[in-house]
Amino acid sequence: DTGVSQDPRHKITKRGQNVTFRCDPISEHNRLYWYRQTLGQGPEFLTYFQNEAQLEKSRLLSDRFSAERPKGSFSTLEIQRTEQGDSAMYLCASSLGDRPSYEQYFGPGTRLTVT
Amino acid sequence: QKEVEQDPGPLSVPEGAIVSLNCTYSNSAFQYFMWYRQYSRKGPELLMYTYSSGNKEDGRFTAQVDKSSKYISLFIRDSQPSDSATYLCAMSARSFQKLVFGTGTRLLVSP
Repeated sequence: DTGVSQDPRHKITKRGQNVTFRCDPISEHNRLYWYRQTLGQGPEFLTYFQNEAQLEKSRLLSDRFSAERPKGSFSTLEIQRTEQGDSAMYLCASSLGDRPSYEQYFGPGTRLTVT
Repeated sequence: QKEVEQDPGPLSVPEGAIVSLNCTYSNSAFQYFMWYRQYSRKGPELLMYTYSSGNKEDGRFTAQVDKSSKYISLFIRDSQPSDSATYLCAMSARSFQKLVFGTGTRLLVSP
C-alpha cells in the first residue's frame, strides 16, 4: 500500500497525558497537512509543511500542540496535557509539490479519545 | 457564520435516483473547489475538483461551480447503495493552501 499511513489508528488516553501521532506521506510528496475532525463536522486545518518547513499554523493549534517534520519525510503531531476537548480524528494529508492543492491525499486518521 | 455551509442531512434516496449535494460559501477568494467522499471511520477520498466556475463530469458524477452565487453542487446519477457515505465539499483560495471543508452531507442510498 503506497498511500498515506498514520499510526496509531486509535488512541485512548487519560486527561493530562501526552500523546504523539505519526504520519507517513506518500513517497516523494513534499507537502504534508494535518487536520482535525470532530464528530459530525468536516476536517479543520491545523498546520502544513513544505519539506521540513512548517509554513502555516491554525489558531486551533494551541501551545499544547506541536508538529514536526524533521527530515521532510514523516511527521509527528504531539499533544501535551490532553483535554477532553482534544478528542477527535486527526487526519494527515500529503500532496506533490507540482500539483495544485486539491490533490491532497488523506490517510485513515488517528482517532483520539481523552477520558 | 462559517466560511462554508453544507446541509448535514441525512439525505435518503432510493437506488437509481439522481442525488444533488450543495454547498454555499462566503469567501469570494476561493478558486479551487473539491468534493470528497468519506466512509465511516475512514479518511476523505477525493472525488472531483474544479478550478473557478464551470462544470466537470466524471462518470456518474458532475460537479458545478457558480462563483457569482457562491454555490457549488455535486450531482450523482444512477445512485448505488455503495454511494452511501458522507460527502464533503472543500475549497481553497490558492494552490497549495489549506482546504476549508463544509460539515459534510450524509447520503443513504437504499436498495
